[in-house]
Amino acid sequence: AQSVTQLDSHVSVSEGTPVLLRCNYSSSYSPSLFWYVQHPNKGLQLLLKYTSAATLVKGINGFEAEFKKSETSFHLTKPSAHMSDAAEYFCVVIGGTGRRALTFGSGTRLQVQP
Amino acid sequence: GAVVSQHPSRVICKSGTSVKIECRSLDFQATTMFWYRQFPKQSLMLMATSNEGSKATYEQGVEKDKFLINHASLTLSTLTVTSAHPEDSSFYICSAPGGQLNQPQHFGDGTRLSIL
Repeated sequence: AQSVTQLDSHVSVSEGTPVLLRCNYSSSYSPSLFWYVQHPNKGLQLLLKYTSAATLVKGINGFEAEFKKSETSFHLTKPSAHMSDAAEYFCVVIGGTGRRALTFGSGTRLQVQP
Repeated sequence: GAVVSQHPSRVICKSGTSVKIECRSLDFQATTMFWYRQFPKQSLMLMATSNEGSKATYEQGVEKDKFLINHASLTLSTLTVTSAHPEDSSFYICSAPGGQLNQPQHFGDGTRLSIL
């Protein structure tokens, strides 16, 4: 079975400082992993995806994530936070054995202080 | 790019009412769509997989008689919450998968359902 664990339910940073949102995954085979962002009362927007190509994945809005098989991690980072980055972030793995439904992490709420 | 349109965006209705939510793929065909439910400050949980032309597959613990899913065409799936009660109040989101198995999915903007 596939699963993801987001290690922090809430992260608070100051504007202009780096962002680190942590995600660990569990998978019986090479997973496909994604980070989505959700603003209040909105749907989900894809930030980036890992699908067994390059381990360092660059996404939109300056976000990137590195797939580390040895650590079973897929942490999301950004060098400098903007106020507009405040939102809920979900680490997601796609289902295994042909199943295409997504399994979501519990989410991390990012707060950006001025 | 591919777009999924979900309507309505918000519904407020009385207890006992049935509510239908539509999910449309606008520029592509989707033989499969997914319905998720999100309680406040919680993650998304898969409710069911909608299959065009056949019965939906429900996740464990989801009442199929309560949450009726119809996927009558390649571009439309509907979720009907029958005889809704306050505990059914939630944020419902649909998605359609990308072209290949490991590609990201396209999400609707969600429906905020509030049952009074």
